[in-house]
Amino acid sequence: GENVEQHPSTLSVQEGDSAVIKCTYSDSASNYFPWYKQELGKRPQLIIDIRSNVGEKKDQRIAVTLNKTAKHFSLHITETQPEDSAVYFCADLSYNTDKLIFGTGTRLQVFP
Amino acid sequence: NAGVTQTPKFHILKIGQSMTLQCTQDMNHNYMYWYRQDPGMGLKLIYYSVGAGITDKGEVPNGYNVSRSTTEDFPLRLELAAPSQTSVYFCASSYSAGNQPQHFGDGTRLSIL
Repeated sequence: GENVEQHPSTLSVQEGDSAVIKCTYSDSASNYFPWYKQELGKRPQLIIDIRSNVGEKKDQRIAVTLNKTAKHFSLHITETQPEDSAVYFCADLSYNTDKLIFGTGTRLQVFP
Repeated sequence: NAGVTQTPKFHILKIGQSMTLQCTQDMNHNYMYWYRQDPGMGLKLIYYSVGAGITDKGEVPNGYNVSRSTTEDFPLRLELAAPSQTSVYFCASSYSAGNQPQHFGDGTRLSIL
C-alpha cells in the first residue's frame, strides 16, 4: 500500500542556517506533493506544493525538490528564523486513490 | 470567509457515549475530509466526501460514520466511544480533486475517559 517516510523526526538549527527535510514515497502513481506547517496547537497550513511534472519550486525562503526516479522529495528552508519553528508534514497523493498520505512529521526548532 | 469551522473545540466523552463533531465550510468546496491526529503523529484519513450525497472510507474508518447532505456540512459521528478514539480531529476541504490545496479547520480535541 501507499507509504510516506519522513526524516528526520526532529531537527535543530541555528537562526540563519538552512534546514532540509526529506520524504520518500512508494506509490509510483503519486503525482502531487504538498508540505504543511503546523504550529503548536494550531491547524496544519499549506506552505508549498509541487506536482510530478516539475522538478523544483521556490517561494521566497522555501523550496521543494522532487526526484521521481528515486521517489523522494525534499523541503528546503534557507535563512531560518525562530518563527519557522513548527512541525512540518509532507504528503503525497496517488493518482489511483486520490487521497493524501501524510508523513509522520518533522519537529523543527530554530534557535536564536 | 470563515473558511472551515469546527465545533466544539474541546470535549470530554465517557466510554460508550456517542457524539457528533460538526464541520462546515463556506468556500463552496466540493471535497471534504476528516482526519485524526494522535500525539506526535501525522494525519490519518477517516472519511472523505467528493460532493453532497457521496462519502467514502479512508485509512481508519472503524468506529466512525459520516454524512454529507449539503455541500457546506460534513459531520463526523462517533458511536460507542472508546479510549482509542482520544485524538485531535481535523476537518478539511478542497475545491476539487485531491491534488488541490486542502484547507483545515482549527480541530476538535476529544478525550474519552
